[in-house]
Amino acid sequence: NAGVTQTPKFRVLKTGQSMTLLCAQDMNHEYMYWYRQDPGMGLRLIHYSVGEGTTAKGEVPDGYNVSRLKKQNFLLGLESAAPSQTSVYFCASSYGQGEFYEQFFGPGTRLTVL
Amino acid sequence: GENVEQHPSTLSVQEGDSAVIKCTYSDSASNYFPWYKQELGKGPQLIIDIRSNVGEKKDQRIAVTLNKTAKHFSLHITETQPEDSAVYFCAANSGGGADGLTFGKGTHLIIQP
Repeated sequence: NAGVTQTPKFRVLKTGQSMTLLCAQDMNHEYMYWYRQDPGMGLRLIHYSVGEGTTAKGEVPDGYNVSRLKKQNFLLGLESAAPSQTSVYFCASSYGQGEFYEQFFGPGTRLTVL
Repeated sequence: GENVEQHPSTLSVQEGDSAVIKCTYSDSASNYFPWYKQELGKGPQLIIDIRSNVGEKKDQRIAVTLNKTAKHFSLHITETQPEDSAVYFCAANSGGGADGLTFGKGTHLIIQP
C-alpha cells in the first residue's frame, strides 16, 4: 500500500495564479484533512471531509477550496494565490470515529508564492 | 475551539538521558491526544496516543501521561538515542469528534552525542 500520496511535491506560483493540490489514499479511509505548516506555527487545519461528497471548514479556510468527488481523493484548490499562502501543505486521512482516530500523513507539498 | 500549548520549543539532552515534553489543552470535550514525530522533509508520523479513559500509556522507550483534571499531557522518552532527534508535536481532537486535530507548535528535540 502506498498510504497517503500528494502531488506535486514542490511548486512555485506567481501571485494571482491558481493551482490544485491532489491527495490520494489507498486505505479506504472515510475522513481526509488538509493542513498547512508554517515555521513556529505547528500544523493548522484548512478543510476536512468526513466522507465522499462532503467537506467542512477548519481553522484557516480562507483563500482555499476543496472537493471530495471520490472517496480516495481530496483536492485542495487555490483560486488566486497570495504570498501568505507560501507554506508546506500536508494531507492526512483516518478511519474517523471511535477508536480509529489515528491520522496518517502524506509527505507534503512545498508551495512558494512569489 | 481547542487551543493546545506545547513546551519547550527546543530541548537539548545528552544521549542516554530522558526527555520530557509537556502540553496543555483547553477543550474539556477533547478525548484523544496523539503525539507525532516529524523528521526533516517528511510528514508527521504517529508515535503514541492516549485516550481520555487512560492515565498513562507506554511503548518501549516512550510513554505518555494524561491528567484530565489539569488538562495536560506529557511525552516521556527514556534512554534517548541520536535517531530520536526530530520535531515532536502534541495534538488534541477538537470538540471530542474526529473533525481534525489541533496541534501544538512543536518541540525540536536535539540529542547531543
